[in-house]
Amino acid sequence: QQPVQSPQAVILREGEDAVINCSSSKALYSVHWYRQKHGEAPVFLMILLKGGEQKGHEKISASFNEKKQQSSLYLTASQLSYSGTYFCGTESLLGGANNLFFGTGTRLTVIP
Amino acid sequence: DTAVSQTPKYLVTQMGNDKSIKCEQNLGHDTMYWYKQDSKKFLKIMFSYNNKELIINETVPNRFSPKSPDKAHLNLHINSLELGDSAVYFCASSQDRQPNEKLFFGSGTQLSVL
Repeated sequence: QQPVQSPQAVILREGEDAVINCSSSKALYSVHWYRQKHGEAPVFLMILLKGGEQKGHEKISASFNEKKQQSSLYLTASQLSYSGTYFCGTESLLGGANNLFFGTGTRLTVIP
Repeated sequence: DTAVSQTPKYLVTQMGNDKSIKCEQNLGHDTMYWYKQDSKKFLKIMFSYNNKELIINETVPNRFSPKSPDKAHLNLHINSLELGDSAVYFCASSQDRQPNEKLFFGSGTQLSVL
């Protein structure tokens, strides 16, 4: 049930853009995106609830294609503070609870 | 004030020992979770509690036993620790058990079994 993310790792120079993809073999109810800096807890970025929905968070935005069971996270004009591991999480309804399965993670490194 | 706090932050112990990790949230949330993050950074859900009631129990050995004395606390007790239990354990909470509720994570407990 674990979604697959690509790429596994990416290195950017400040100001460059990146796209992180998340795909699932199962129908997606919703997609979460979290960022984890080294040695810290994952921090929530955004949730996408509807197919085709796109949301933004500063210069970080995401899209959700329900039909393709995919989500993409877009980072534009990257900053040093964007470095970290990005996780997508997909939800299945198990007992009506929030059962979030996280992807394999994408390590993003932004260099000066 | 820390929203979701875990103790201890580091735990080093010998195989076969029993240990506990404590978690408390002061957000007034109804639902709490335990996640395990292994050396490859895979984050996997272990348990979910809603108002002290077990909701989710993923495929976890029964050496792991969560206990929720009240809805603000979810502790994790591990019996007969094994080398493969070494990982970072994260506690998390959400407003309620509905889908699309964002998770608030604690800072993690790094468990090392020698």
